[in-house]
Amino acid sequence: SQTIHQWPATLVQPVGSPLSLECTVEGTSNPNLYWYRQAAGRGLQLLFYSVGIGQISSEVPQNLSASRPQDRQFILSSKKLLLSDSGFYLCAWSGSSGNTIYFGEGSWLTVV
Amino acid sequence: GENVEQHPSTLSVQEGDSAVIKCTYSDSASNYFPWYKQELGKGPQLIIDIRSNVGEKKDQRIAVTLNKTAKHFSLHITETQPEDSAVYFCAASYQGGKLIFGQGTELSVKP
Repeated sequence: SQTIHQWPATLVQPVGSPLSLECTVEGTSNPNLYWYRQAAGRGLQLLFYSVGIGQISSEVPQNLSASRPQDRQFILSSKKLLLSDSGFYLCAWSGSSGNTIYFGEGSWLTVV
Repeated sequence: GENVEQHPSTLSVQEGDSAVIKCTYSDSASNYFPWYKQELGKGPQLIIDIRSNVGEKKDQRIAVTLNKTAKHFSLHITETQPEDSAVYFCAASYQGGKLIFGQGTELSVKP
């Protein structure tokens, strides 16, 4: 069966510091991969999605970037964090045909 | 652009009662409508989904209905239990497989 792992689970970082959140998927090949952010208002905002290695699409302009160095690995990064980057970040995957999306357990980021 | 409206934002019911959450979507090309349940501090979990060629789908106490003409779809939970308390999200597909989510409904089931 397919599983998705995301880490770290919680992170407290000072303003201006770098960020790296990592996500891996097991049990499937060539998945679509996604990074979502969930702010306190509950809404799920799509940040990035990827249909293959090195293929990244950004949905919203922001202080973050994403990379997909391997088929089942997705990384969310920032060079300099802002206070507004605080939130709950969720990695997700779907089959290559899209549609059903499965989420990881999320990473809480607090920028102080 | 694409949009999904979800109502109500909060819902409180007595244990054993039914709960209904409604969503509307804007993209007439949407053909896949999942529902997710999110417990505090965890990632959303898929609980039921429906595709545009079906008007209703049921899984035990949970059912989803879809009206493509009106661009409405709804989640129905019958015989609610305290463990049903969570935030529920609807979503609609767009642009070849991506999902746009509603703003969520916080359901509270009081024993």
